[in-house]
Amino acid sequence: DIQMTQSPSSLSASVGDRVTITCRTSQSIKHYLNWYQQSPGKAPKFLIYASSTLQSGVPSRFSGSGSGTNFTLTISSLQPEDFATYYCQQSFNNPQTFGQGTRLDIK
Amino acid sequence: QVQLVQSGAEVKKPGASVKVSCKASGYTFTGQYIHWVRQAPGQRLEWMGWINSYSGGTDYAQNFQGRLTMTRDTSISTAYMELSRLTSDDTAVYYCARSGLAALRGDYWGQGTLVTVSS
Repeated sequence: DIQMTQSPSSLSASVGDRVTITCRTSQSIKHYLNWYQQSPGKAPKFLIYASSTLQSGVPSRFSGSGSGTNFTLTISSLQPEDFATYYCQQSFNNPQTFGQGTRLDIK
Repeated sequence: QVQLVQSGAEVKKPGASVKVSCKASGYTFTGQYIHWVRQAPGQRLEWMGWINSYSGGTDYAQNFQGRLTMTRDTSISTAYMELSRLTSDDTAVYYCARSGLAALRGDYWGQGTLVTVSS
């Protein structure tokens, strides 16, 4: 199975801050990397697919980059609704695996 | 609008089976895959497998081989996930998610179904 490791595991930031979350994979997954946002008690929300393509309706302050084994999710200017947990997910091969999550809290 | 509505919470005893439904609306059911993903308390999301809503073909994660069955009923636009020989490790919220591909890009998700396994 492809192992997914996110860093940091938790992060405190303020409204307006720029934050970056990293996802590393145990083998190359080309660009087959997706990002989700999950608020407590809610289903995941789809943000980015194929490493850098923004899902329709997702604000442009979210962006993704990377290929191979190293990927990043950047939020350019945090808004109050962005404080949640973020997961990366690889769809390169089965089983399709997720990172352990990065919890983003208000400082 | 696209919606996936799942069945309600379940409490099961160890060794039992559970069947969770996922009713789709707002799109052509047979044009999309349904994936199932679970999340144990405080844990990461775990992909379980998918069903091709058109053909009924399935692919399951190896961890669940032999005790996981995914089916669908196209007449009522509903997908089902049945997990047998439950243990306490199966206590989790189970989600269905729609994707246009066998590769999960879950653009719409169900609300989740809590399955609790307890003696």
